[in-house]
Amino acid sequence: QAVVTQEPSLTVSPGGTVTLTCGSSTGAVTSDRYPHWFQQKPGQAPKTLISDTSNKYSWTPARFSGSLLGGKAALTLSGAQPEDEAEYYCMLLYSGPWVFGGGTRLTVL
Amino acid sequence: EVQLVESGGDLVQPGGSLRLSCVVSGFTFRSYWMTWVRQAPGKGLEWVANIRQDGSEKYYVDSVKGRFTISRDNAKNSLYLQMDSLRAEDTAVYYCGGGPGGAWGQGTLVIVSS
Repeated sequence: QAVVTQEPSLTVSPGGTVTLTCGSSTGAVTSDRYPHWFQQKPGQAPKTLISDTSNKYSWTPARFSGSLLGGKAALTLSGAQPEDEAEYYCMLLYSGPWVFGGGTRLTVL
Repeated sequence: EVQLVESGGDLVQPGGSLRLSCVVSGFTFRSYWMTWVRQAPGKGLEWVANIRQDGSEKYYVDSVKGRFTISRDNAKNSLYLQMDSLRAEDTAVYYCGGGPGGAWGQGTLVIVSS
């Protein structure tokens, strides 16, 4: 099965902007991979932030946005808040099966 | 309100079996693909299996093929994961997910150990 890659860790300053990326071992990530992004805080279940590249949910803070960037899926956080410190996972679809990336630990410091 | 409630997790010996259940409310269950994912202690999320709305398509991660079976009962708004020939590496919190908001349950813990 394919391998999905994410940055292991990133740090952003409060109020700053950071972009997390999600790559695929099979080549460029396109909208046909239906990229999803999840946020998970310690001891909690994951929460879906973004589906199908860029679709947000009612609970997705406006400061999060999804896109395709340089052959990867991207999650951009603009105006980071302390409560955004968490693990972020992307997930890509491969004609039936999904594959998660290894996660990015985002520190707001 | 969308709710997914998993149950069935337990301590089981290697080679044993468990059946996980996920009862859903707050959305039209029969209209959505449903998914099981898991998270081993201290590790990342791993997609395990998913199932089409009518059960006609099912997909599994390679590591569970032939051992796990995903199923659903649309009349009971329920999703299941039958886990056979369990191994230590199957130890994890298992989450069910799906529905209009990409909702997830709170998870159920499976421990495979002698």
